[in-house]
Amino acid sequence: ETGVTQSPTHLIKTRGQQVTLRCSSQSGHNTVSWYQQALGQGPQFIFQYYREEENGRGNFPPRFSGLQFPNYSSELNVNALELDDSALYLCASSLGLAGGHTDTQYFGPGTRLTVL
Amino acid sequence: GQQVMQIPQYQHVQEGEDFTTYCNSSTTLSNIQWYKQRPGGHPVFLIQLVKSGEVKKQKRLTFQFGEAKKNSSLHITATQTTDVGTYFCAGGSIIFGKGTRLHILP
Repeated sequence: ETGVTQSPTHLIKTRGQQVTLRCSSQSGHNTVSWYQQALGQGPQFIFQYYREEENGRGNFPPRFSGLQFPNYSSELNVNALELDDSALYLCASSLGLAGGHTDTQYFGPGTRLTVL
Repeated sequence: GQQVMQIPQYQHVQEGEDFTTYCNSSTTLSNIQWYKQRPGGHPVFLIQLVKSGEVKKQKRLTFQFGEAKKNSSLHITATQTTDVGTYFCAGGSIIFGKGTRLHILP
């Protein structure tokens, strides 16, 4: 096990609603990255937080937002849900940045979001 | 935006045969990481390559990073049923390819 947990495991929402997904990183890991993985695709980088500040963002609209807390937990918030937001949402914690790139990432089990 | 292309998308091999997946980027990568995801699971870190021309081995798995740091490969020798899953490369740690799904025929 990676020591990274996510909640909830599964979630069903309707279009237009808002959702908050939670992640608990490994103790001591000050970097958390969030990914969206559609069925049969690779994980797509949403954003990364380093010591509670956003440290990089992928090609996702502003309705995807996040927070990182001092206790190694983090949140992904998605507003105005769309059908295409249905996917597996993964968080990955790491010790930090080494040589300009994110170190080994430990993924959580993911949250399966279905938007109807 | 930056993309990492991975081929093939699928690979079916007989148990005992070798398997290779390739990862290519149009831009120079600072590093490349490889992950394995079992069906229904989450990506699990395998290895990280940082240096130009680097080669690393883990038992039956051999990982290479190209001299120009734009491509990488993962080679599995004598596949076993436990190797089933999807193998992803991640350029710069966060740009994932679409993965290669490995099926093992008994």
